[in-house]
Amino acid sequence: ETGVTQSPTHLIKTRGQQVTLRCSSQSGHNTVSWYQQALGQGPQFIFQYYREEENGRGNFPPRFSGLQFPNYSSELNVNALELDDSALYLCASSLFNRGREQYFGPGTRLTVT
Amino acid sequence: SQQGEEDPQALSIQEGENATMNCSYKTSINNLQWYRQNSGRGLVHLILIRSNEREKHSGRLRVTLDTSKKSSSLLITASRAADTASYFCATDGEAAGNKLTFGGGTRVLVKP
Repeated sequence: ETGVTQSPTHLIKTRGQQVTLRCSSQSGHNTVSWYQQALGQGPQFIFQYYREEENGRGNFPPRFSGLQFPNYSSELNVNALELDDSALYLCASSLFNRGREQYFGPGTRLTVT
Repeated sequence: SQQGEEDPQALSIQEGENATMNCSYKTSINNLQWYRQNSGRGLVHLILIRSNEREKHSGRLRVTLDTSKKSSSLLITASRAADTASYFCATDGEAAGNKLTFGGGTRVLVKP
């Protein structure tokens, strides 16, 4: 157990809808990163939050947005869902410092129909 | 795009045998990390090797890093059925700021 929790575990949405995924970081960690993992592939970096601000973003459109709260927990919001957004969404917490391992939550499985 | 590419994509071995998988990457790195994932669940951190290190051990795991060839290998010795999982390498690039770039993974099946 990493101490990182995510909710919900599974989610089914319809194309065009919006979704919010939640992540609670491990105690003492001040940075949260979000990743998208399509079936059979490695995780892809979406963005990272540190001190409630976005600190780096991968190749994802603006309809993917996020928040980080003062307690370092985080949300991932996806608007105008597309079928290709179906994936496992992973959050990872860490200390803001290069060269640190990241601790992953169990993920949220999103299915878009 | 994926920074790291794992080889092989899949590996099937008998319990007790060693499992070796390789990872290649493209750009300069701060460190390289290996993670394990069971059945589409969260990733578990296994080992981190810094760019100035060449070899690292952790229990039955041995990782090597060759920055001149931009490659790394993960060796699992005396494998067990519980080692059945997907294994991913991830690089933390010099310009990436703690963003991990993952490869496509190696799926390992350890048969009892």
